[in-house]
Amino acid sequence: QKEVEQDPGPLSVPEGAIVSLNCTYSDRGSQSFFWYRQYSGKSPELIMSIYSNGDKEDGRFTAQLNKASQYVSLLIRDSQPSDSATYLCAMSARGAQKLVFGQGTRLTINP
Amino acid sequence: DTGVSQNPRHKITKRGQNVTFRCDPISEHNRLYWYRQTLGQGPEFLTYFQNEAQLEKSRLLSDRFSAERPKGSFSTLEIQRTEQGDSAMYLCASSLSGEQYFGPGTRLTVT
Repeated sequence: QKEVEQDPGPLSVPEGAIVSLNCTYSDRGSQSFFWYRQYSGKSPELIMSIYSNGDKEDGRFTAQLNKASQYVSLLIRDSQPSDSATYLCAMSARGAQKLVFGQGTRLTINP
Repeated sequence: DTGVSQNPRHKITKRGQNVTFRCDPISEHNRLYWYRQTLGQGPEFLTYFQNEAQLEKSRLLSDRFSAERPKGSFSTLEIQRTEQGDSAMYLCASSLSGEQYFGPGTRLTVT
């Protein structure tokens, strides 16, 4: 079992749709959780961090964390063609510095 | 505040040659990380520095790989006797606390 699992997609939705990207993890010691966006040929860009159970909203993005279920998600509202990218879920364990990444979910928003 | 910079951006080398990459972190960040990313996968952790001390190395980092951060500022990653399997994007990230910010990466192609 991989440490961090994401549905690889590809996921294709129409512009304006609500998109939910999901991530499960195996290490119960995971403490900090991050969502990165990666455009094709570019490096990952941090879009959200979440450290405690519940929801965290930033503009059109909402991160949700449920440590009991070992589940973290990213909700994108009013999706735009510019949101088309691969979304990477990452986490670090308590006291650890390295990030462990999922394989990413490739998302396409169709105009 | 400039972001993380990496040089070169692209490197093509022949199998068996040595290559060296440089990373300049965000100026006030004391933590620096190297990751490797292959097509369709999330980044994989290679090594981590806090100031000039190399505090963690992945098992992925074979003895052909060495990293330094001599004055706690920029870092170099050297690969000796490159192999075709070393072809990947090498990413550097820096942080002050939990959130890691990535540079543009160095794409290595070993022919």
